[in-house]
Amino acid sequence: DQQVKQNSPSLSVQEGRISILNCDYTNSMFDYFLWYKKYPAEGPTFLISISSIKDKNEDGRFTVFLNKSAKHLSLHIVPSQPGDSAVYFCAASADFNKFYFGSGTKLNVKP
Amino acid sequence: KAGVTQTPRYLIKTRGQQVTLSCSPISGHRSVSWYQQTPGQGLQFLFEYFSETQRNKGNFPGRFSGRQFSNSRSEMNVSTLELGDSALYLCASSSMLRQGKDYGYTFGSGTRLTVV
Repeated sequence: DQQVKQNSPSLSVQEGRISILNCDYTNSMFDYFLWYKKYPAEGPTFLISISSIKDKNEDGRFTVFLNKSAKHLSLHIVPSQPGDSAVYFCAASADFNKFYFGSGTKLNVKP
Repeated sequence: KAGVTQTPRYLIKTRGQQVTLSCSPISGHRSVSWYQQTPGQGLQFLFEYFSETQRNKGNFPGRFSGRQFSNSRSEMNVSTLELGDSALYLCASSSMLRQGKDYGYTFGSGTRLTVV
């Protein structure tokens, strides 16, 4: 039972434009959400988080939006850079350090 | 500060064998979690240890086990290996419960296990 879903396996955007990565979840008890970036042969790197008491969190070029009623999470990267090309995972938790991860979206930013 | 260290980086084992993977968390981190990553499946939670106690467990068979030592280092063991156990095994450490806007696991680079 996949409680966190990333329905787009891949996304391609032009350098300088906005990248929008989406994530849906089914468990209404989830109250903490994370985004990670992963390069091949490396472990995932933490990008940004948001708790369910907020609907938006910004950190530089990265903004995460949370729509609790729709059980939907999105990551916006503006402007996109070629170095952002990686696999992005969203994760959700209702229980301390137990996270459910999506299957990932591979982002390709074209120069 | 040193990151999360996983050893070995690569491992090839035969079906039916057992394997032990090691994870050294960031100094001061007491929570260690293990994940399995397979293509198209994302990261699947295996278990989490905190202060030598298993605090959370995912939906994996009993062939997957782990432990944590008093210095917070953790090992996971897979017995009677199957071909489907081939995956990247990731370990993540965190300092405590959620704190601050920068909460998140720090992952190691993983151990790539191939079962033949």
